[in-house]
Amino acid sequence: GAVVSQHPSRVICKSGTSVKIECRSLDFQATTMFWYRQFPKKSLMLMATSNEGSKATYEQGVEKDKFLINHASLTLSTLTVTSAHPEDSSFYICSASGQGTDTQYFGPGTRLTVL
Amino acid sequence: GNSVTQMEGPVTLSEEAFLTINCTYTATGYPSLFWYVQYPGEGLQLLLKATKADDKGSNKGFEATYRKETTSFHLEKGSVQVSDSAVYFCALSDAGGYSTLTFGKGTMLLVSP
Repeated sequence: GAVVSQHPSRVICKSGTSVKIECRSLDFQATTMFWYRQFPKKSLMLMATSNEGSKATYEQGVEKDKFLINHASLTLSTLTVTSAHPEDSSFYICSASGQGTDTQYFGPGTRLTVL
Repeated sequence: GNSVTQMEGPVTLSEEAFLTINCTYTATGYPSLFWYVQYPGEGLQLLLKATKADDKGSNKGFEATYRKETTSFHLEKGSVQVSDSAVYFCALSDAGGYSTLTFGKGTMLLVSP
């Protein structure tokens, strides 16, 4: 089946620094990638949707200048949390879907802790 | 807007017991419905799906039937195994999964030997 990887799996950073998370589709071309945030005992919250070569579409309430998303190729999307603060600590999950498919394939997630 | 409500866990069962995890939804139009499973330390995996009313999705002994009249998509398995221990997410999509997914909060299943 389709495999999506994320890197890093865990990251700890100091408040005020920026952190980049990578999401890769390993064996298929991902025309659309999604970024989610998961809080403890909460649903996955969609942050943004990105199509390859286009600007990401952010959900209401998500700061686009804080959560920078790039989807420059059909196999890679990145999420950069800029000037991270403790409230940004969370579990970030990406998913990817290919053209003509109706299924999202999820990465294993990245645990971000901001001190 | 769309929403998904699923039973809170954890659900604790003994091996070979019958499993039901309830899921109801609110949506406009005719959504597609999904169950995803997240095993410890892993990403979400699609377990099964149904795209129209009365469809039954099934996989690995799990099944769920799309009930439009009750807006439900309950997950069932006749005999659970320890290896089924995971978090299960019910989700819906507006248009066959091409558009965004709306997830329930997830239900943790713990199966003991």
